[in-house]
Amino acid sequence: GAGVSQSPRYKVAKRGQDVALRCDPISGHVSLFWYQQALGQGPEFLTYFQNEAQLDKSGLPSDRFFAERPEGSVSTLKIQRTQQEDSAVYLCASSLGTGSGNTIYFGEGSWLTVV
Amino acid sequence: QKEVEQNSGPLSVPEGAIASLNCTYSDRGSQSFFWYRQYSGKSPELIMSIYSNGDKEDGRFTAQLNKASQYVSLLIRDSQPSDSATYLCAVPAQTGANNLFFGTGTRLTVIP
Repeated sequence: GAGVSQSPRYKVAKRGQDVALRCDPISGHVSLFWYQQALGQGPEFLTYFQNEAQLDKSGLPSDRFFAERPEGSVSTLKIQRTQQEDSAVYLCASSLGTGSGNTIYFGEGSWLTVV
Repeated sequence: QKEVEQNSGPLSVPEGAIASLNCTYSDRGSQSFFWYRQYSGKSPELIMSIYSNGDKEDGRFTAQLNKASQYVSLLIRDSQPSDSATYLCAVPAQTGANNLFFGTGTRLTVIP
């Protein structure tokens, strides 16, 4: 596709359930990012991949959060034992290169509600 | 720890007026600055980037950077109702990297 694609768009999970969020970046994009955006806030960085290598996971809020990009294209963000504070929009983004001059393109996000 | 501060608004301007959005940043070493627009329920999209002191114009949008004062602003001339959105200011989390650190955003409403 032409843009960053995320699925599911909307997910309601019961507290304690595991969820998996998928991101399909723009074809050929080397860099992939996951951000978390709470209502009324700006996106907050979670983790960054350069191809299949996870170079920065400093933003992951707890060890319940795990991300992978095994073949350097599609990425999955997994949240184990979801809590209510995990309710947010999870945005995936990609860019062609790795420097600050590369435009970052965002997907439409996966809206997670934990009840 | 980088900090990017924006007035959360809401900022309301009448149609046709100039909207002025401001952002201050804490890291004096920041070299790149970005303005993203986010419509309600949609993803952020890049509208302006600026790297040098001074003004950069693109259509109705002008970004202004003052590194000495550590602020960057976005001016929207001839504001239209379609400009109503949240505007996010962002800087790279590390020098040279393209992972971004975002402010909380300013919500702009253009009143017809």
